Amino acid sequence: RKEVEQDPGPFNVPEGATVAFNCTYSNSASQSFFWYRQDCRKEPKLLMSVYSSGNEDGRFTAQLNRASQYISLLIRDSKLSDSATYLCVVDSGRGFKTIFGAGTRLFVKA
Amino acid sequence: SAVISQKPSRDICQRGTSLTIQCQVDSQVTMMFWYRQQPGQSLTLIATANQGSEATYESGFVIDKFPISRPNLTFSTLTVSNMSPEDSSIYLCSVADRDKNTGELFFGEGSRLTVL
Repeated sequence: RKEVEQDPGPFNVPEGATVAFNCTYSNSASQSFFWYRQDCRKEPKLLMSVYSSGNEDGRFTAQLNRASQYISLLIRDSKLSDSATYLCVVDSGRGFKTIFGAGTRLFVKA
Repeated sequence: SAVISQKPSRDICQRGTSLTIQCQVDSQVTMMFWYRQQPGQSLTLIATANQGSEATYESGFVIDKFPISRPNLTFSTLTVSNMSPEDSSIYLCSVADRDKNTGELFFGEGSRLTVL
């Protein structure tokens, strides 16, 4: 089993749609959780951290379920500019090592 | 945040040669990380570069193949030695936002390596 697993994608959605990405992690000792965004041929950049209480940043909402070891990202009112690969990232529970999921590609079309 | 500069941004190399990638950070950082991202894949940690000590390598990566230098708190190099086509990948330098302890990683723009 991979340490971090994500929906395989790609997701093809029209502008204005709501889309949800799921991610599961295997290490119950993990404490930090993130969603990163990676544009084509660019480096990954932090989209948002994920907190136990859930957190929202504009059109983006992240949820964490520690019992199920599950993380989600919800994007509302999708924009063309949201097209990217979304990476689920989890700390390994050992120092500063972080584990990246394989990523889910999103294509938002007009 | 941190601004990270990597060079070269891309290179095409012959099999059997070696390439050194440089990473410069605009602030002093304790740990720097080197990742590899193969085509269509996610990021895999190669090693953690610590100033004043040997790098710590992840399973599957060895110092002879990927020697790393960390001469000071703002600079590191990664060498890909005796390259083969399987080494074609994007190599990314990264630092952690340790000062704020957020766990966020900042990345350089990456070095795209093609081995013929």
